[in-house]
Amino acid sequence: DAGVIQSPRHEVTEMGQEVTLRCKPISGHNSLFWYRQTMMRGLELLIYFNNNVPIDDSGMPEDRFSAKMPNASFSTLKIQPSEPRDSAVYFCASSQTRTSLQETQYFGPGTRLLVL
Amino acid sequence: QKEVEQDPGPLSVPEGAIVSLNCTYSNSAFQYFMWYRQYSRKGPELLMYTYSSGNKEDGRFTAQVDKSSKYISLFIRDSQPSDSATYLCAMMGGSEKLVFGKGTKLTVNP
Repeated sequence: DAGVIQSPRHEVTEMGQEVTLRCKPISGHNSLFWYRQTMMRGLELLIYFNNNVPIDDSGMPEDRFSAKMPNASFSTLKIQPSEPRDSAVYFCASSQTRTSLQETQYFGPGTRLLVL
Repeated sequence: QKEVEQDPGPLSVPEGAIVSLNCTYSNSAFQYFMWYRQYSRKGPELLMYTYSSGNKEDGRFTAQVDKSSKYISLFIRDSQPSDSATYLCAMMGGSEKLVFGKGTKLTVNP
């Protein structure tokens, strides 16, 4: 299996521009997670989906952030408009969730975002 | 108080040393405890996973959970330069949400 795939791997943009990050989870996984990692705050959960339905978006910082999962093999995280404080590494992770068993989350390689 | 506290280090040890990494937490609902290893410019990968209190050993790695003290540890025996990475503790309660510590950066010097 190719693992979790994220694109782009690096993104440099100017303040005010729209940024779209993409994620393809591991085939067969039914949960998908978006995280943000910074030196100051560490790794923070932004939002997670189960069976393509958003379950908890309490970590999304503000209305400028939105996430979608139109099907089981694709998700996007969009920032509009972007700000310099959004600069971070954004990770996507996926897992197979069963009723009585907590499964491992597998992380993608991340997207390094720099907003100038 | 943050839900999960982890000393960020950095921690530098000679090859062969025993390494001890620790996290404390405040949420008594946490039942699943994990350690992730993150190499530079890579995503975190699961290293150890324990449920509730107790010890778990996997090769040179031992994870300990003390729920009464809300304290978890990861021990690395005979540390190797390839162990140099950032180690993140993570915890989960009744939902799928993982709460991470900020990570401890470890360097093992040859």
